[in-house]
Amino acid sequence: DVKVTQSSRYLVKRTGEKVFLECVQDMDHENMFWYRQDPGLGLRLIYFSYDVKMKEKGDIPEGYSVSREKKERFSLILESASTNQTSMYLCASSLEGLNYGYTFGSGTRLTVV
Amino acid sequence: SQQGEEDPQALSIQEGENATMNCSYKTSINNLQWYRQNSGRGLVHLILIRSNEREKHSGRLRVTLDTSKKSSSLLITASRAADTASYFCATVVQGAQKLVFGQGTRLTINP
Repeated sequence: DVKVTQSSRYLVKRTGEKVFLECVQDMDHENMFWYRQDPGLGLRLIYFSYDVKMKEKGDIPEGYSVSREKKERFSLILESASTNQTSMYLCASSLEGLNYGYTFGSGTRLTVV
Repeated sequence: SQQGEEDPQALSIQEGENATMNCSYKTSINNLQWYRQNSGRGLVHLILIRSNEREKHSGRLRVTLDTSKKSSSLLITASRAADTASYFCATVVQGAQKLVFGQGTRLTINP
């Protein structure tokens, strides 16, 4: 069964910490995405990548960076975690092109205290 | 920026009834997709309808698309308790290469 795996289901970090959220897909998908989901705000795109070592800013990239050193892995980095980054983080992947659905991971619920 | 808006925000029906959710969007699209999210989990892709299609079926799901009205509907027939979830529409805007989600409809199926 193909899937997207996010390394942690729940995570608690302290303000100012550097946080790494890992995402791995086993479908050989070209495209990978990071969203955050907040009540009342829906899903918002943080960063995405169409190929190894490339990245594009989404709608809310501030305070985040990403790394894609291998095709199957897309990491989201919070350089200095803040309480307003407490959220559900969802990773997704898709085949190249526009007319394909996304496969999502189960999500990482991050709490910054 | 939010492209799609679902209506209603919440829907509660009896098991066996049909559930209809609507989605409106603002700009021209390549396709529109529907996803389901069970509480606290990731999203699951249900169906994709392209801008040149008007209707699509998948099992108990029926999706319609009216590009002149910039709207879509998702019909779930013969609902089951397991259909309880949030349902999101998402669009690929023409000229962009990313999926933009609406805020979702919370569907509750009562036994």
